[in-house]
Amino acid sequence: AQKITQTQPGMFVQEKEAVTLDCTYDTSDQSYGLFWYKQPSSGEMIFLIYQGSYDEQNATEGRYSLNFQKARKSANLVISASQLGDSAMYFCAMREDTGTALIFGKGTTLSVSS
Amino acid sequence: EADIYQTPRYLVIGTGKKITLECSQTMGHDKMYWYQQDPGMELHLIHYSYGVNSTEKGDLSSESTVSRIRTEHFPLTLESARPSHTSQYLCASSPPGGVNTEAFFGQGTRLTVV
Repeated sequence: AQKITQTQPGMFVQEKEAVTLDCTYDTSDQSYGLFWYKQPSSGEMIFLIYQGSYDEQNATEGRYSLNFQKARKSANLVISASQLGDSAMYFCAMREDTGTALIFGKGTTLSVSS
Repeated sequence: EADIYQTPRYLVIGTGKKITLECSQTMGHDKMYWYQQDPGMELHLIHYSYGVNSTEKGDLSSESTVSRIRTEHFPLTLESARPSHTSQYLCASSPPGGVNTEAFFGQGTRLTVV
């Protein structure tokens, strides 16, 4: 079974609008971490934001925020005030307490237009 | 800023050749990883290492091999390249810690086997 599910292959948004990228996860660990990475067309992976399973507050980093709903096992990324430079692939990832490496979802391609 | 470097960035090579993809980090991280990523697709873990002289295979079966003789260096070798090996290879490392430790990525090597 997929541990990380991203159901939106592609999303389109206008500049200055907000956009939500969906991510659901599956784990039986009590302690785990959730990450979002951005991958521009140049190929590098850029860390955006982190949410721990025990964190009570939703994580925020500048224009990025994470809508964490633990009971629903979802960790959606919200990008406010989209910019042209936000056009990229976005990956949700999880590190389990019992694992060592990050497990990635299939990604969502975000296209921002002017 | 992460200090993890991969060389070469791009490589086009003929079938049957032996190749080594280099990955080095200057952060002193014990944990290092190799991921394989086809264009526009998810990242699959193919190898990881907990430290010097430690290597393990990841979730995706790969014909490549790795070595970890020095903390900072984690090269990946393909003894006989085939067109099916065409992909992007991403190296990453993590500092000590639990589920909250992010992975720092290199810029990737885009390999094309003709």
